[in-house]
Amino acid sequence: DGGITQSPKYLFRKEGQNVTLSCEQNLNHDAMYWYRQDPGQGLRLIYYSQIVNDFQKGDIAEGYSVSREKKESFPLTVTSAQKNPTAFYLCASSIFPGEDYEQYFGPGTRLTVT
Amino acid sequence: AQSVTQLGSHVSVSEGALVLLRCNYSSSVPPYLFWYVQYPNQGLQLLLKYTSAATLVKGINGFEAEFKKSETSFHLTKPSAHMRDAAEYFCAVSENTDKLIFGTGTRLQVFP
Repeated sequence: DGGITQSPKYLFRKEGQNVTLSCEQNLNHDAMYWYRQDPGQGLRLIYYSQIVNDFQKGDIAEGYSVSREKKESFPLTVTSAQKNPTAFYLCASSIFPGEDYEQYFGPGTRLTVT
Repeated sequence: AQSVTQLGSHVSVSEGALVLLRCNYSSSVPPYLFWYVQYPNQGLQLLLKYTSAATLVKGINGFEAEFKKSETSFHLTKPSAHMRDAAEYFCAVSENTDKLIFGTGTRLQVFP
């Protein structure tokens, strides 16, 4: 069964700690994306990757980091520099990068930092 | 710069009534437009997409949307709402890039 897996579904951390969110896809998609969702703000792009070992900053990359060492994996690290990290994080992928290719989304990880 | 505006953060309808969710876009070139649905605490699922092949686009779950260039709109409709349609709906635009710009979403409530 092909799809995108995000783990864990709920994550709790203390302020000042780095935390890594997992995203794995078995769709053989080239492009992967990370979004942050806050109530009333829609989805905002954090980072995206069109190919292995390459990634670009999105609109709100400050305080986040990513890696793309394997085609199927695109982990996101929320660093202590992110001022307001509590949010719902969504990972997505598309078969190719491009404006007409739909993005497939994972189930999301809800991060709470106290 | 491209952008998307969804009018109405909340829409309420009775079961069996028409659903109309509004989306207006701003784009300097013909855009690609998408509607996604999100059920509580889940990811987004594609409902339909416009890629210039036809102005009336049919999607899953009985939804459809019409691209109107003169009005820069891409409103989502469904003739008869069902309880299971209650969710949040997002309109998104992409223009010459591989990035999607999302609207702020519309939460649809369906009353029995």
